[in-house]
Amino acid sequence: DTAVSQTPKYLVTQMGNDKSIKCEQNLGHDTMYWYKQDSKKFLKIMFSYNNKELIINETVPNRFSPKSPDKAHLNLHINSLELGDSAVYFCASSQFMGIHNEKLFFGSGTQLSVL
Amino acid sequence: QKEVEQNSGPLSVPEGAIASLNCTYSDRGSQSFFWYRQYSGKSPELIMFIYSNGDKEDGRFTAQLNKASQYVSLLIRDSQPSDSATYLCASPGGNRDDKIIFGKGTRLHILP
Repeated sequence: DTAVSQTPKYLVTQMGNDKSIKCEQNLGHDTMYWYKQDSKKFLKIMFSYNNKELIINETVPNRFSPKSPDKAHLNLHINSLELGDSAVYFCASSQFMGIHNEKLFFGSGTQLSVL
Repeated sequence: QKEVEQNSGPLSVPEGAIASLNCTYSDRGSQSFFWYRQYSGKSPELIMFIYSNGDKEDGRFTAQLNKASQYVSLLIRDSQPSDSATYLCASPGGNRDDKIIFGKGTRLHILP
């Protein structure tokens, strides 16, 4: 009965490979996000979706492609992985978007290590 | 570009003392702030939300917002070793395509 679940928890792969991270929320929220947290713990938004519609698309290489088949799921596909992609990727959801009390619920994170 | 600034620390506080964490922000239009706690290797979890000027208390935690000076703080009374974590200040947007901006976090270490 985990609220926001993402898989896998750990992902170790070689440079140049393609990988995907999946996220699902059972909170009935309309909005989902991908955040990247680097080694210095800085948490930066990558994408947000509201009811399957892409709302925020930060300055992220186009090797990163999010997909939201429905409002409960948001996946992240990464092509041609690079060393600099190594980080923890967090999925999150919120009930609303663009209001002042928009609380985020985070998944447990995916530790991506590119060798 | 909206910014939320925090001292990265580490901030070391003796057990039982008050831990004071601060955050400043650049956007005068920011209306509200969140404090998230993140244990090492875990995901951020929401601990406080403040919207109005002044203080908001929840158990051992007090959030303070001063819109005139553009700072927000989190006080933790009777600090416990279990409070050792990174504390992230965040400001949500007021518009649909606004981003939630996080500070870089302050590492808090409670000394037993």
